[in-house]
Amino acid sequence: QSVLTQPPSVSAAPGQTVTISCSGSSSNIGDNYVSWYHQLPGTAPKLLIYDNDKRPSGIPDRFSGSKSGTSATLGITGLQTGDEADYYCGTWDNSLSAVVFGGGTNLTVL
Amino acid sequence: LQLQESGTGLLKPSETLSLTCTVSGGSIASSRYYWGWIRQSPGKGLEWIGSIYYSGSPYYQPSLKSRVTISVDTSKNQFSLKMRSVTATDTAMYYCAGQGDRTSSWYWFDPWGQGMLVTVSS
Repeated sequence: QSVLTQPPSVSAAPGQTVTISCSGSSSNIGDNYVSWYHQLPGTAPKLLIYDNDKRPSGIPDRFSGSKSGTSATLGITGLQTGDEADYYCGTWDNSLSAVVFGGGTNLTVL
Repeated sequence: LQLQESGTGLLKPSETLSLTCTVSGGSIASSRYYWGWIRQSPGKGLEWIGSIYYSGSPYYQPSLKSRVTISVDTSKNQFSLKMRSVTATDTAMYYCAGQGDRTSSWYWFDPWGQGMLVTVSS
């Protein structure tokens, strides 16, 4: 059972927009920044978003992040088949004194 | 900035897991704020193990703290993970990663190493 809750799977058609939610509490998302990662099959995770809404260099602006209260959302526009991956959110939990991750969301581009 | 894990991939229960992460393309003293270890059990999600500042001061996942030691060797641009008394539940892909920077929060991870599969089996 992960500290952060994500939907197990989402799907959308190529070219469409999809959002992935990440729900937490006041001790984690509510008081700290959120990061997002994607993990293509058989590869290491890669940072997509940090500090709620910042994109590292090289990450296209099709990827966006936002946070409101104790939840965060990753948005992906103009879906491509290459976006099929597992997506994870992460943050710091003040009560646990630990970095925590969501359970992951598998994105299927139909 | 690139990271590469190395170490023993097959262990017996009760042995000590020992992994090293070599940082290239930048200095371990300045390229990232912290350096971390994360693992992923087969078919499962991500679990943070712990992190260390380049000059020391490690932070550990509370549930693993009694078995884990993370250290850094700035002369070799490396940091290491030791986990004692492993069991089958410690079987996982182990990743090292750069963590945060001095202008933002410190608990995001980038870049990641390619990962090292560690199997614990009798």
